[in-house]
Amino acid sequence: GQQLNQSPQSMFIQEGEDVSMNCTSSSIFNTWLWYKQDPGEGPVLLIALYKAGELTSNGRLTAQFGITRKDSFLNISASIPSDVGIYFCAGQPGAQKLVFGQGTRLTINP
Amino acid sequence: GAGVSQTPSNKVTEKGKYVELRCDPISGHTALYWYRQSLGQGPEFLIYFQGTGAADDSGLPNDRFFAVRPEGSVSTLKIQRTERGDSAVYLCASSLNGNQPQHFGDGTRLSIL
Repeated sequence: GQQLNQSPQSMFIQEGEDVSMNCTSSSIFNTWLWYKQDPGEGPVLLIALYKAGELTSNGRLTAQFGITRKDSFLNISASIPSDVGIYFCAGQPGAQKLVFGQGTRLTINP
Repeated sequence: GAGVSQTPSNKVTEKGKYVELRCDPISGHTALYWYRQSLGQGPEFLIYFQGTGAADDSGLPNDRFFAVRPEGSVSTLKIQRTERGDSAVYLCASSLNGNQPQHFGDGTRLSIL
């Protein structure tokens, strides 16, 4: 089946630092999405990307849809304590279902 | 409500029992999805409904799993003869149509003893 490789698996940073994470796939996707999940809750949509090369921002978050359509990255600038959580990339191959990465666990030291 | 609602939030049952998990999507959303999330993993697709029909059930692991959406709104995921390996968080998502972003509920945490 389709696989997404998300890295890094975990990050430990200081408050105020910038964060970067990415996803790569062996398959092409028509849509890339980034979600954040807090303990005991469902994933919350952060950013959706629909076109190869697209760069989209949502506040301090910026994400890009790779030109090859096989990768995407998410950057968080000037991290704050509420950014703590697990970030998931998800690709949509066109058949409606989402294929998720393994997640990046972000921990912030105040 | 404003978001996807899932009930119960937690379910503990014995191996071999039958369980039903309910999902109430965002009002007006025609597409509904079920995913399963094991500890430390990303969600894995189970089934997708467009309206009342299952458009893609390729993620259902075996014939013990079944889902319905009889009126095109609320959906029920049914698991027969539960096994300990079925323990996971079952997430439901909905989207306005199949091409719009999916919005998730908080899931049902299923524990099979």
